[in-house]
Amino acid sequence: DAGITQSPRHKVTETGTPVTLRCHQTENHRYMYWYRQDPGHGLRLIHYSYGVKDTDKGEVSDGYSVSRSKTEDFLLTLESATSSQTSVYFCATGTSGLNEQFFGPGTRLTVL
Amino acid sequence: GEDVEQSLFLSVREGDSSVINCTYTDSSSTYLYWYKQEPGAGLQLLTYIFSNMDMKQDQRLTVLLNKKDKHLSLRIADTQTGDSAIYFCAETYNQGGKLIFGQGTELSVKP
Repeated sequence: DAGITQSPRHKVTETGTPVTLRCHQTENHRYMYWYRQDPGHGLRLIHYSYGVKDTDKGEVSDGYSVSRSKTEDFLLTLESATSSQTSVYFCATGTSGLNEQFFGPGTRLTVL
Repeated sequence: GEDVEQSLFLSVREGDSSVINCTYTDSSSTYLYWYKQEPGAGLQLLTYIFSNMDMKQDQRLTVLLNKKDKHLSLRIADTQTGDSAIYFCAETYNQGGKLIFGQGTELSVKP
């Protein structure tokens, strides 16, 4: 286990509110990722980071932003939550080479 | 673009073999992976295969890779109820350690 925690683990919010999810790792892994998991879609990459202050978009980045000011923390912000962003969000970390990714326990977000 | 496809469900009896199939599109992937997700948890790497291999065996798990057809399979021998989970196939994508995941196959093992 790569020592990855996510907070909060569950959140219910209303449409139009901003939401920030936090991922924290203790393994000093260079890469960090945010995914969303939805039935029938598997995991889809939202944003990723390849170092402090270095981030890039994934395949479903619209409506999301990220920040990485320290190696250990990667924040995902929903600028104005919509019901289509109701999902389970997973953070992962990785290293180069094998490209194995280590996943956090997930955050279940419900947007009403 | 890059895409990874899996069937969504598989049901087997305890003690039987399970075979989960996956097709992928990026022939330049260095590694292909199988991840396992148990209920309420994140994904964990189950096994992987290097792209220049045809087969890899690891205890009850056998991974077969057909590069010509871009087909990957995971065989679980003597399937147990504890193997019930969602299994994801993944391939490497571009750089930065990114992976493309399939939709996941939910394996149900009946006693």
